[in-house]
Amino acid sequence: GAGVSQTPSNKVTEKGKYVELRCDPISGHTALYWYRQSLGQGPEFLIYFQGTGAADDSGLPNDRFFAVRPEGSVSTLKIQRTERGDSAVYLCASSRQANTEAFFGQGTRLTVV
Amino acid sequence: GQNIDQPTEMTATEGAIVQINCTYQTSGFNGLFWYQQHAGEAPTFLSYNVLDGLEEKGRFSSFLSRSKGYSYLLLKELQMKDSASYLCAVAGNNRKLIWGLGTSLAVNP
Repeated sequence: GAGVSQTPSNKVTEKGKYVELRCDPISGHTALYWYRQSLGQGPEFLIYFQGTGAADDSGLPNDRFFAVRPEGSVSTLKIQRTERGDSAVYLCASSRQANTEAFFGQGTRLTVV
Repeated sequence: GQNIDQPTEMTATEGAIVQINCTYQTSGFNGLFWYQQHAGEAPTFLSYNVLDGLEEKGRFSSFLSRSKGYSYLLLKELQMKDSASYLCAVAGNNRKLIWGLGTSLAVNP
């Protein structure tokens, strides 16, 4: 596609529910990143995929967070038993290779009530 | 530890020049990025430096000194639309980007 696409753009969920956030990267980009960003903060790294594999998942805050990229393209970030502290904008970015210019999607604003 | 420091806020006047500094301490270095982020929007790429020196791109320039762990973003002929947050990010040993908190720039008429 023309750019990185993230769906949904907004998600409101109740505490304790399960959510999935989707990222469709730019075609041909092998590197894919998930970040989350709170108001007034820089992006916080969550996980980085190179192809289908998670090259670095050290930013996932706990085992309620999981992400997959089964075919090396679309990625899904999954959050179980959501908590109010999970509320943030979740950003996805892709780049042709690691360490080259990354293009960001518009983000998914997650609100846990 | 790993650390990226940049000023929290800056103010400048339309038409002027402003320099936003970034200092870093990271495990390894594989390049420094500057991104612009308008409120409510995703970051957009401005520049990438991996070698020492100045990279110029239109009204925006970025400078890097690896020995000093220092970079700056220079914005010339400021326009109102340049009011945004400017994020400095460094690619470390594993190429994971380490982000600063951003500098909020307000351009006044």
